Amino acid sequence: AQSVTQLGSHVSVSEGALVLLRCNYSSSVPPYLFWYVQYPNQGLQLLLKYTSAATLVKGINGFEAEFKKSETSFHLTKPSAHMSDAAEYFCAVSNGNFGNEKLTFGTGTRLTIIP
Amino acid sequence: EAGVAQSPRYKIIEKRQSVAFWCNPISGHATLYWYQQILGQGPKLLIQFQNNGVVDDSQLPKDRFSAERLKGVDSTLKIQPAKLEDSAVYLCASSDISGANVLTFGAGSRLTVL
Repeated sequence: AQSVTQLGSHVSVSEGALVLLRCNYSSSVPPYLFWYVQYPNQGLQLLLKYTSAATLVKGINGFEAEFKKSETSFHLTKPSAHMSDAAEYFCAVSNGNFGNEKLTFGTGTRLTIIP
Repeated sequence: EAGVAQSPRYKIIEKRQSVAFWCNPISGHATLYWYQQILGQGPKLLIQFQNNGVVDDSQLPKDRFSAERLKGVDSTLKIQPAKLEDSAVYLCASSDISGANVLTFGAGSRLTVL
């Protein structure tokens, strides 16, 4: 079985400050890990993914995440927050079976940007 | 390319009524998923199709929920009869065989059961 735990259901940062959203995973096989973003009244959009290549993954909108096996973590960061980053962020883990992928999502972290 | 289309975007019904949601995946995507997202929670997989066959429906409440994917393209998710706890956003997603686990989501259908 696989699961992810997102620490902090709400995170507030000032505009221009560092964004850090935490995700820890549990998986019996080498995991594929994802971060998705959801803007109000929209579907989920892929930010970035880790699929066993480079451990530091760069995504869209200046976000990146680092896979740390020893810590079973996949935290999402952005050096400087922008007002447009306000959204809900979901970490997810997959079983990695091509053509039979199953994503298990965390409970989400709502990011608020303070002007 | 066109995205995943879902309709209706919003639906309000009373408990014990029925409702149906429709999804049109990205052209050529073999795998289609329905997720349920209750307010304040992460999406939960209800059912997964590959072409027109069911791969996983272990979390689908089969006494009231049903889904089909005719001809391996469009899909319909039905709830009958609806309960208050079915109020949620129903997200459809699709992926292709070579998509490296990347799911593309539709905007969702928001259901409110009164």
